[in-house]
Amino acid sequence: NAGVMQNPRHLVRRRGQEARLRCSPMKGHSHVYWYRQLPEEGLKFMVYLQKENIIDESGMPKERFSAEFPKEGPSILRIQQVVRGDSAAYFCASSTTGGSYEQYFGPGTRLTVT
Amino acid sequence: QKEVEQDPGPLSVPEGAIVSLNCTYSNSAFQYFMWYRQYSRKGPELLMYTYSSGNKEDGRFTAQVDKSSKYISLFIRDSQPSDSATYLCAMSSLHAGNNRKLIWGLGTSLAVNP
Repeated sequence: NAGVMQNPRHLVRRRGQEARLRCSPMKGHSHVYWYRQLPEEGLKFMVYLQKENIIDESGMPKERFSAEFPKEGPSILRIQQVVRGDSAAYFCASSTTGGSYEQYFGPGTRLTVT
Repeated sequence: QKEVEQDPGPLSVPEGAIVSLNCTYSNSAFQYFMWYRQYSRKGPELLMYTYSSGNKEDGRFTAQVDKSSKYISLFIRDSQPSDSATYLCAMSSLHAGNNRKLIWGLGTSLAVNP
């Protein structure tokens, strides 16, 4: 029973490059959430998606960041023209379609911008 | 004022102690309450999930919700060094409609000393 999968686990990018982070939710889960966590800070909500729909992107910076969850394949968080301030751990979580609200997290992708 | 307040600690206890972790919140619409454990450089792990008020027990862990006081607690009995981690509370509103966004505390850092 595979959990939430994220890849890559570690990603190094130079300033100005693009970063693509992937998340495969748990089997049977169709809700995906992306969070950012900086050292010594809490989880910051970024975006909540269902298949082919963005439900809430209120935590996403207006520029350079985008997310998608296509009908087939993983959810993708894309950061264009990365800057040093984007260096953080990015976590993906998923939950079921039904009434349950529990979110299950992946191991995270640690992005380092040099 | 933040919607969810959590003392960041650090909290340091001897092995075997009973640990009490708490969060307060301001939104009376919150109905779903969760506790997560996060080890250093890992993703958050769901520990306990409660709906509305009352207690829930799972092994050494007990979660309590007091909606009249807008206060939730997590108790850890017979604490072990392996319990050393950051504990995060999270909650959501029943009336969020299609939006299942969780509101998070900043986390309490716990160290259990052998």
